[in-house]
Amino acid sequence: AQSVTQLDSQVPVFEEAPVELRCNYSSSVSVYLFWYVQYPNQGLQLLLKYLSGSTLVKGINGFEAEFNKSQTSFHLRKPSVHISDTAEYFCAVSGGNKLVFGAGTILRVKS
Amino acid sequence: EAQVTQNPRYLITVTGKKLTVTCSQNMNHEYMSWYRQDPGLGLRQIYYSMNVEVTDKGDVPEGYKVSRKEKRNFPLILESPSPNQTSLYFCASSSDPGTENTGELFFGEGSRLTVL
Repeated sequence: AQSVTQLDSQVPVFEEAPVELRCNYSSSVSVYLFWYVQYPNQGLQLLLKYLSGSTLVKGINGFEAEFNKSQTSFHLRKPSVHISDTAEYFCAVSGGNKLVFGAGTILRVKS
Repeated sequence: EAQVTQNPRYLITVTGKKLTVTCSQNMNHEYMSWYRQDPGLGLRQIYYSMNVEVTDKGDVPEGYKVSRKEKRNFPLILESPSPNQTSLYFCASSSDPGTENTGELFFGEGSRLTVL
């Protein structure tokens, strides 16, 4: 069975600073990995995904994530955040016919 | 516009009063799923459907029912709601129904349910 651990429940950061949201997973099979973003009062939308190939994945809004198989991690990064990036971010893993989500990390960008 | 539509968006009800949350998608997706979101727990799957007339339990199915009579609709039914079902509910759909799940789910905007 798959599981996902998001190591930080909240991450405060100042505008234009870099940010990393951490995600570790466990799985006994090959996995697909995802980051979703949820803006206030909205549903989730896909930010980026890793299926195979290059371990560095680029997504929308300047985000990227790196798949590290040896450390079973899929951390999300952005070099310079904006106020509009304030949202909750969910890491998810799929290794079968279901998607398992982490508990979420709230990114708070301060001016 | 491609979308997943849920109704109602907000609902306050009382214990034991049956309710249905509707979900409709216009993308001709085969796969549909219901999740509940609770603080600190992320999203947990309630039920999912691979195709019309095919449904299966997720991780937290107790107290819920679903049906999939048409491809576009996947209603969530609470026969006798209880306060522990107070939550934010999301319907999602995907074109990929099987074990090669690429995880690209399209979500509705959510239905916030309060059971008193």
